[in-house]
This record gives sequence, C-alpha cells and structure tokens, in this order.
Amino acid sequence: AQKVTQAQTEISVVEKEDVTLDCVYETRDTTYYLFWYKQPPSGELVFLIRRNSFDEQNEISGRYSWNFQKSTSSFNFTITASQVVDSAVYFCALSGMIKAAGNKLTFGGGTRVLVKP
Amino acid sequence: DVKVTQSSRYLVKRTGEKVFLECVQDMDHENMFWYRQDPGLGLRLIYFSYDVKMKEKGDIPEGYSVSREKKERFSLILESASTNQTSMYLCASSSAGQGPETQYFGPGTRLLVL
Repeated sequence: AQKVTQAQTEISVVEKEDVTLDCVYETRDTTYYLFWYKQPPSGELVFLIRRNSFDEQNEISGRYSWNFQKSTSSFNFTITASQVVDSAVYFCALSGMIKAAGNKLTFGGGTRVLVKP
Repeated sequence: DVKVTQSSRYLVKRTGEKVFLECVQDMDHENMFWYRQDPGLGLRLIYFSYDVKMKEKGDIPEGYSVSREKKERFSLILESASTNQTSMYLCASSSAGQGPETQYFGPGTRLLVL
C-alpha cells in the first residue's frame, strides 16, 4: 500500500521568510511519480511539479524548489522569500506505475501555509 | 489550458436525497476522477474512469456511484445522501500516457447534507 505523510499541518511565517514543507512517502513500487499541488482559498488544486523516481536532481522554479531524497523517501518543497499570495494548502501526492490502477494518486493530509504581511 | 468545470460550487441537500455532481473537461482526457477532501485526511479517491462507460472503485466508493456516458463528462451520484457525506468534492482529469500523467482539477463542490 502507498502512503504519503505531511507531518506539518500548519505553518505560519512572515512575508519574505523561507518555508519548507516536508513530505515523506511509502511505496513498494520501484518506479513511481511524486507531485506537489497548491490549493489556494478558491479551492481549485493547482499542479506545481511532477517528478519520477529515477530523477533525483533537485529542481528550482522561480521561488519554488524541490529536494528529492530517495534514500529517505522524502520530497520536500521550499518556498523562498514567501509572499502573501503563497498562502494556501499544499499537497504532496504519490502515484505508482500500475496502468490498470488508472494512475491513482495517493495524497498526504496537506500543509496549510499562512504568510503574514 | 486544461479546463475542468464542476456544476456547482456550493450545494445544500437533505438526508435521503439523491444528489448529482457533474464534471466536464475540455481536453479530451481519457481518465477522470472523483475525490472527496476532508480536513486532515487530504484527498481520497472515490471512483475513477479510464474510458467511456468504464469505471473503477477507488478507496472509498461506499454510498456513491458514477456515470460516464460521454468522454468529457463524469458524474458522481449520491444515491441517498447522508450527513457523513458532507464534504468538498473534487473532480480531476488526465490523459492516458505511458506513466502517471498529471491530473488537473476542477474548482470543487462544497456539499452540505442536513
């Protein structure tokens, strides 16, 4: 069975501070994909990144960066110089490669980030 | 841009009513999904469909059914709504690639069952 754990339920920071969201996963698949989504107050989940298990390079996109550590089964997400618009719930998700399963996503419980001005 | 729309943003129903939640996507995606979101539990998969008229149970299908008569439309049905089905319902769609394709989500429907 697959499992995704986001231990931090809520993080509060002041604008311009960096914030790191932890994501730890469990899977028996040797090949899998990891995702991060953002859910702003409007409710719609916005796709941020998809990473496959063979690619352990860290990735940076603007103020966002991701640190994938296969050895510790973690896929952490850092927002640098946070802004009020970053306030949202962030979800980490995991998908195996079993096509018959319809590429089902297993989500973590989410981390609410509150950025104060 | 991928567009996934859901018929209602907010819905209030009474216990025992039959409830229909509609989802439409405009990207010709093969896969469509229904999730429910509850605080602290993240999103949990109710049902998904990988083709017209095809459906598979997710993790929590009890009390729900689905219908996919056309490729772009995926309906979630609560046969007899109960208060424990009060939740946020999210629809998603994805293409059918070689590996897990990115799922794109609609804005969600907040359902309150009284």
